[in-house]
Amino acid sequence: AAGVIQSPRHLIKEKRETATLKCYPIPRHDTVYWYQQGPGQDPQFLISFYEKMQSDKGSIPDRFSAQQFSDYHSELNMSSLELGDSALYFCASSARGPDSGNTIYFGEGSWLTVV
Amino acid sequence: AQKVTQAQTEISVVEKEDVTLDCVYETRDTTYYLFWYKQPPSGELVFLIRRNSFDEQNEISGRYSWNFQKSTSSFNFTITASQVVDSAVYFCALRESNFGNEKLTFGTGTRLTIIP
Repeated sequence: AAGVIQSPRHLIKEKRETATLKCYPIPRHDTVYWYQQGPGQDPQFLISFYEKMQSDKGSIPDRFSAQQFSDYHSELNMSSLELGDSALYFCASSARGPDSGNTIYFGEGSWLTVV
Repeated sequence: AQKVTQAQTEISVVEKEDVTLDCVYETRDTTYYLFWYKQPPSGELVFLIRRNSFDEQNEISGRYSWNFQKSTSSFNFTITASQVVDSAVYFCALRESNFGNEKLTFGTGTRLTIIP
């Protein structure tokens, strides 16, 4: 079965640079989520989109922005990178409705290292 | 606000032993969903199970079983006859049902080490 696809899997950036992460949700999933997981921590919710509109917002820094496009893929843009942004970034997707199970499925994550 | 507590930070057991991972949650919603995810050393988050708040039936899947008790707000996870491949961090998570507030709230995770 198709899963959530994230790219790139690994990237290294210098401080103050910009990074963009891409996410392709499971086909027919209408909601996309972004999470950030620091070393030894649990995943923290950043932002979500339902049908291409922002649906919820968590602890996302102002330096970060995200959007969902007409083909349902999503991008997380991170600017003015700081050392503390080094983390594993997950994209996840889900579908509404009784048949979907409301389960949130995660991609394999994108490892961002800021040096 | 919703909250998930996994009091066990780390657990180590010898292979073939049974182990139970505890999860306690808090929510004001009457409809909600509980999940367990496995995060192996490679980093991905693997979905294991979802339980709806209106379905307290326990579930068994192979060596895995889950005990959901609304009366104590607990959703515990038991691995029977543990194997080295079960070594991972396990996260319990809660999702409420309100539109616009459907994100997962994770517990802090339990690192399980199976000793050969």
